[in-house]
Amino acid sequence: AQKVTQAQTEISVVEKEDVTLDCVYETRDTTYYLFWYKQPPSGELVFLIRRNSFDEQNEISGRYSWNFQKSTSSFNFTITASQVVDSAVYFCALSARETGANNLFFGTGTRLTVIP
Amino acid sequence: EAQVTQNPRYLITVTGKKLTVTCSQNMNHEYMSWYRQDPGLGLRQIYYSMNVEVTDKGDVPEGYKVSRKEKRNFPLILESPSPNQTSLYFCASSPRLAGGYNEQFFGPGTRLTVL
Repeated sequence: AQKVTQAQTEISVVEKEDVTLDCVYETRDTTYYLFWYKQPPSGELVFLIRRNSFDEQNEISGRYSWNFQKSTSSFNFTITASQVVDSAVYFCALSARETGANNLFFGTGTRLTVIP
Repeated sequence: EAQVTQNPRYLITVTGKKLTVTCSQNMNHEYMSWYRQDPGLGLRQIYYSMNVEVTDKGDVPEGYKVSRKEKRNFPLILESPSPNQTSLYFCASSPRLAGGYNEQFFGPGTRLTVL
């Protein structure tokens, strides 16, 4: 069975600090995808990234970066020089063939608060 | 504008009064899904549909029904709502490209309160 663990329920940082959100996953499949979504206070879900299980290259997009390590089944998300607009709930999600390749299985989310 | 729409956005109702939350997408996506979001539990899938007339249960289907008569619409039906169905509901859609694992596009959410 698949599982996504986001052990950090809430994190607070001061603006301009770097912050890493952890995501650990479990699946029996060798082919799977990992996702990160952002949910700002307005409530909508914003897609951030999709990464497949065969691509372990780290990805950087502006202040955002993602570190995928199959050896530790982790897909961590780092925000560099955090800003108040980064305050949101962040969800990590897994899509694997064992439960339907189109279905997303979400972690419980990490609420990030960036203090000005 | 490509989007997923949900109606209503907010609903307060009473136990046992049947209700329907509509979901519509204009992106010609084959796949649609419903999730509920509860504090400390993240998003959990209720039902999904791979195409017209094809629906299947997700992780928490009890107390819900869905239908997929048209490609663009995927309504969520609560025949007899109960207070434990008070939640934030999201509809999502994605193209059913070869291999799956596609990004899902989410609606704005429907906040339901059952008294």
